[in-house]
Amino acid sequence: GAGVSQSPSNKVTEKGKDVELRCDPISGHTALYWYRQSLGQGLEFLIYFQGNSAPDKSGLPSDRFSAERTGGSVSTLTIQRTQQEDSAVYLCASSPQGQGTEAFFGQGTRLTVV
Amino acid sequence: DQQVKQNSPSLSVQEGRISILNCDYTNSMFDYFLWYKKYPAEGPTFLISISSIKDKNEDGRFTVFLNKSAKHLSLHIVPSQPGDSAVYFCAASAPGNTGKLIFGQGTTLQVKP
Repeated sequence: GAGVSQSPSNKVTEKGKDVELRCDPISGHTALYWYRQSLGQGLEFLIYFQGNSAPDKSGLPSDRFSAERTGGSVSTLTIQRTQQEDSAVYLCASSPQGQGTEAFFGQGTRLTVV
Repeated sequence: DQQVKQNSPSLSVQEGRISILNCDYTNSMFDYFLWYKKYPAEGPTFLISISSIKDKNEDGRFTVFLNKSAKHLSLHIVPSQPGDSAVYFCAASAPGNTGKLIFGQGTTLQVKP
């Protein structure tokens, strides 16, 4: 497809389990972002990849969260030992370059920790 | 520290009237601003942007105004249509900040027929 693709679209997991969320950015886009939106909240920045530069991880809420981007394309966000407060919609976005261009979002992964 | 703030969580306007959504920021280094629209169960979609070298950008029914001295931007939608009902987010980025977009909390716009 032409857009940013995220999978799964919905994920229900038990507290304490690990989860992996996947993002396929638009082909050729060098920048990739992860955000999350908790119920009634805005878009919270998590992590940002730009080309071959070291990722900006300043938004990751705890060391249970990590992300990687393989080959400058697909990205995986991993949450270890999930907690109920991790429940949110996790949104991935990509852009053709960094600063000064708009980012294109996927439809998000709704994570529910029970 | 909320660097981008949308102080109005919701706004309701009548179809055909003007909708004005506001956004304030604290970081004077921000030099690029964007507005996104989000429908339920969908990702945000880009609406309009403005560079700090401008004070106005217009695209059809949508106009963004930037007041750098006040660190304030606004989105005007005129005339408003029921299909404009959505959550609107403003975002900002700064040079040398790796292009990271910082978003506000969002404003829910309801346009009544």
